Amino acid sequence: DGGITQSPKYLFRKEGQNVTLSCEQNLNHDAMYWYRQDPGQGLRLIYYSQIVNDFQKGDIAEGYSVSREKKESFPLTVTSAQKNPTAFYLCASRGAPRDYGYTFGSGTRLTVV
Amino acid sequence: KNQVEQSPQSLIILEGKNCTLQCNYTVSPFSNLRWYKQDTGRGPVSLTIMTFSENTKSNGRYTATLDADTKQSSLHITASQLSDSASYICVVSGRTTSGTYKYIFGTGTRLKVLA
Repeated sequence: DGGITQSPKYLFRKEGQNVTLSCEQNLNHDAMYWYRQDPGQGLRLIYYSQIVNDFQKGDIAEGYSVSREKKESFPLTVTSAQKNPTAFYLCASRGAPRDYGYTFGSGTRLTVV
Repeated sequence: KNQVEQSPQSLIILEGKNCTLQCNYTVSPFSNLRWYKQDTGRGPVSLTIMTFSENTKSNGRYTATLDADTKQSSLHITASQLSDSASYICVVSGRTTSGTYKYIFGTGTRLKVLA
């Protein structure tokens, strides 16, 4: 079955550590996205990539980094510079350039301990 | 400014009852509007998609309506079930001047269905 897989489902980070969230899709989608979701708030865009080896900052990119070396993969690194990283992180993909909707992963919940 | 506003913020209903969720938007130019259902701790799943020319779209017990003139959409849930307890997110897409698409998310309505 085609889909988008995020791992791990739960992740704990000590202060000062970098952690990487995985996102893999087998939908042959060109565009991939990372969103952050906090309680009671809408999704906020962190980074997106329209094509391999290219990515753009979203609205809240500070303290995060990404790479897009393969079409199928778009990992997100939460760096120590992100001062409030505890949140639910959603990865999504879309069959650009037409207006196809998002397919979302099941999310990763990151907690700072 | 492109915005999507949803109401109510939260809603509690008894199992078997109907309910209606609202979505107002100011996204322009408009391309389409989607309703997503997000179970707690899961990713959103698409329920319906509506283009400018569509007034109503159904998916089982879910019926979405769109009034492109007033820029309003509603999601009606009939004969609610406990499994309908979730957040419902309205997402509006619009075409940019460069020909790409932008997606504006509402903050969602959290629905709780009680037995």
